[in-house]
Amino acid sequence: DAMVIQNPRYQVTQFGKPVTLSCSQTLNHNVMYWYQQKSSQAPKLLFHYYDKDFNNEADTPDNFQSRRPNTSFCFLDIRSPGLGDAAMYLCATSTEGAHGSEQYFGPGTRLTVT
Amino acid sequence: GDSVTQMEGPVTLSEEAFLTINCTYTATGYPSLFWYVQYPGEGLQLLLKATKADDKGSNKGFEATYRKETTSFHLEKGSVQVSDSAVYFCALSMDTGFQKLVFGTGTRLLVSP
Repeated sequence: DAMVIQNPRYQVTQFGKPVTLSCSQTLNHNVMYWYQQKSSQAPKLLFHYYDKDFNNEADTPDNFQSRRPNTSFCFLDIRSPGLGDAAMYLCATSTEGAHGSEQYFGPGTRLTVT
Repeated sequence: GDSVTQMEGPVTLSEEAFLTINCTYTATGYPSLFWYVQYPGEGLQLLLKATKADDKGSNKGFEATYRKETTSFHLEKGSVQVSDSAVYFCALSMDTGFQKLVFGTGTRLLVSP
């Protein structure tokens, strides 16, 4: 089945220790998104890739970076995690342009910062 | 800016009860509207969508109608099951080249046997 895969599902890191979360997709979608979802809140868009073009949301902290080496893979790098970065991180994909096209979400990676 | 408002939860129902979760939106253009569902510990899944006024989205017994005059997209189900317990997010997107979703705050539904 075509899908969005996130690894790992659970990640524990130490305060200030860089961490990378990964996302892969078999849908061949050209748009990929990273969301941060804190407990009992709505997902918040951090950035997205439109093919290789990176688009940052205005309020995304510089501590968060992303890489997309090819269509299938996208990485979220947190350079110096703080306690406030503990959250569920969701990857999603979509096709471009079509009115009402849906986003397909992965299962998420739950990040704990100790 | 564009925004979505949905009713606070949790909504607590008995099995086979009727469900309504209210959602209203504010947008400058003509958005597409979505309901996503999130089961515990999982990512979001699209439940249903509507892309123009008076469209009705439906899936798994859930329905929602795009009401332009009241800027609403209320979610309904005639008879809920325990397995429907989850968090439901109303969302909109505008055609800006990519589908940026604007989410409501989510409504938790708890269904008891």
